[in-house]
Amino acid sequence: SQQGEEDPQALSIQEGENATMNCSYKTSINNLQWYRQNSGRGLVHLILIRSNEREKHSGRLRVTLDTSKKSSSLLITASRAADTASYFCATEAWGNEKLTFGTGTRLTIIP
Amino acid sequence: DTGVSQDPRHKITKRGQNVTFRCDPISEHNRLYWYRQTLGQGPEFLTYFQNEAQLEKSRLLSDRFSAERPKGSFSTLEIQRTEQGDSAMYLCASSRTSGRNGELFFGEGSRLTVL
Repeated sequence: SQQGEEDPQALSIQEGENATMNCSYKTSINNLQWYRQNSGRGLVHLILIRSNEREKHSGRLRVTLDTSKKSSSLLITASRAADTASYFCATEAWGNEKLTFGTGTRLTIIP
Repeated sequence: DTGVSQDPRHKITKRGQNVTFRCDPISEHNRLYWYRQTLGQGPEFLTYFQNEAQLEKSRLLSDRFSAERPKGSFSTLEIQRTEQGDSAMYLCASSRTSGRNGELFFGEGSRLTVL
């Protein structure tokens, strides 16, 4: 079963613009992670935010976490064509050693 | 660090046949996970191992599915009597436990098509 849902399901923007994706989840978590997947390939870890953190940055990525609303957002600034991919949030619940993935956002960057 | 390796990358089989997928994790990782992903969906958890012990199995893993990790190194996922609904990408991932921050390292996946 999917723990989270990403919104929007698909997003197309012009190169250079910022892209924002949202993730909602259902249960209390230890951490939330974002992964990227190019078509037909495996997933690549982007960033992890712990339940006691509210915001985290990594390069052009900014992640926020609101545990009271059980939601997270991923912002990609100054998008590039190479950012075209599907993006998934994944949650690790307390005392549970596996990641549960959301349904994903398909991001298309138009050159 | 050679990354997580999966074999075969693609498998086409007829309904009713058995298939086996192999995963070689990153060498110092003692956790190994199997996920299944269908088109347009996120990965769904199937099972995971810590060393050679299988610690959790999803309800998705019917009795036609079996996974092993002998000696805590590589792992195999076998599907017996395949059905068309088994067509999916089977993803393997590994991670450390000690000092881990929860990050999973994924292989490129094994795509199964059941005709």
